[in-house]
Amino acid sequence: DAKTTQPPSMDCAEGRAANLPCNHSTISGNEYVYWYRQIHSQGPQYIIHGLKNNETNEMASLIITEDRKSSTLILPHATLRDTAVYYCIVRVRIQGAQKLVFGQGTRLTINP
Amino acid sequence: KAGVTQTPRYLIKTRGQQVTLSCSPISGHRSVSWYQQTPGQGLQFLFEYFSETQRNKGNFPGRFSGRQFSNSRSEMNVSTLELGDSALYLCASSLAPGRAEAFFGQGTRLTVV
Repeated sequence: DAKTTQPPSMDCAEGRAANLPCNHSTISGNEYVYWYRQIHSQGPQYIIHGLKNNETNEMASLIITEDRKSSTLILPHATLRDTAVYYCIVRVRIQGAQKLVFGQGTRLTINP
Repeated sequence: KAGVTQTPRYLIKTRGQQVTLSCSPISGHRSVSWYQQTPGQGLQFLFEYFSETQRNKGNFPGRFSGRQFSNSRSEMNVSTLELGDSALYLCASSLAPGRAEAFFGQGTRLTVV
């Protein structure tokens, strides 16, 4: 699975959009980009995933660049409860390969 | 719909003992994966089960083992506990292998003294 690079920490004001970047310059054509987050003392929570098109769900939007070498997770109206460590993961989506490789992630702090 | 349930939530064991952790996946989910989280190493994959068969294994010693039952519930076992095994053990379930939209439980916090 391709390696990802994320900033170790970010701050965002409550109510503003939080934009979390992720670089995955060695991504292969069949690898998806997944985002998870982990709120303190809880298990990771799935947020969103995509292959090459931008994706949106009730939690966030995922913007993937045309060359697929980077992506941005957008939390449109951040709240204090969005404070967490956010993980960007790149992996193939094939039978028998559930393994997720977590990096260090980005520690996002939402400030009041 | 109930989420992933892990029991117990907290556990204290002494070195040399063994421990068994349990995970009940979301109803209808047939794939269960286990992860270890420590401050130093972060989240690391242990193993994955589907249809009672281990499909994938991480880089952990043989003291770490697991199994899955016909109802998809899973257990993991650690024998001859070491201080370094102190960690949060997380279980994740998904519909099938390859579906990386995995849903995690709250974890079992194991302390080895």
